[in-house]
Amino acid sequence: GESVGLHLPTLSVQEGDNSIINCAYSNSASDYFIWYKQESGKGPQFIIDIRSNMDKRQGQRVTVLLNKTVKHLSLQIAATQPGDSAVYFCAETGLGTSYGKLTFGQGTILTVHP
Amino acid sequence: DAMVIQNPRYQVTQFGKPVTLSCSQTLNHNVMYWYQQKSSQAPKLLFHYYDKDFNNEADTPDNFQSRRPNTSFCFLDIRSPGLGDAAMYLCATSRDAGQPQHFGDGTRLSIL
Repeated sequence: GESVGLHLPTLSVQEGDNSIINCAYSNSASDYFIWYKQESGKGPQFIIDIRSNMDKRQGQRVTVLLNKTVKHLSLQIAATQPGDSAVYFCAETGLGTSYGKLTFGQGTILTVHP
Repeated sequence: DAMVIQNPRYQVTQFGKPVTLSCSQTLNHNVMYWYQQKSSQAPKLLFHYYDKDFNNEADTPDNFQSRRPNTSFCFLDIRSPGLGDAAMYLCATSRDAGQPQHFGDGTRLSIL
């Protein structure tokens, strides 16, 4: 079936380093992608999104890259800070998906060491 | 200010005793979603409302029901909670399909 998955379940980095979190998806009809950050005891927080007519989008300290050829999505966090420690989920939805139903990846745990 | 508010944050109920979780939104969004999230897993969609139109996921147990009396409020009813229903329940809203979903901070449900 359709799925969105992550290559690495955990990622540990030093404060100040750049972090890259990867996500693979299998639904070729996917046209909208979102990255969420979830801290312990809280709901997922929207970070950044990208549509399939783009291959790169930048926000504050974050960049999302989309490679439709290989169905790959990545989230880059610049100058990672301890406050960035959380679980990161990618999610996708496709054209015609009922009411924008999101398919979530499994999640990557990012740990930032001071 | 919180835009998707879930109450209570923590709920304890007894095995088989009905429980209702609530969600309210100040965003005036058309779509409201309920997700179940178990430890170390991704959120799993249970159902959603587009305005008053209810859409149930095929694998959502009959034990789970929902009500949306108006645009701002949506409720999750669990008629006879089992031990396997212990989880975080997340509410989310979006202005329309294909728009970002905004999540509340969830209700952590425990079953005794």
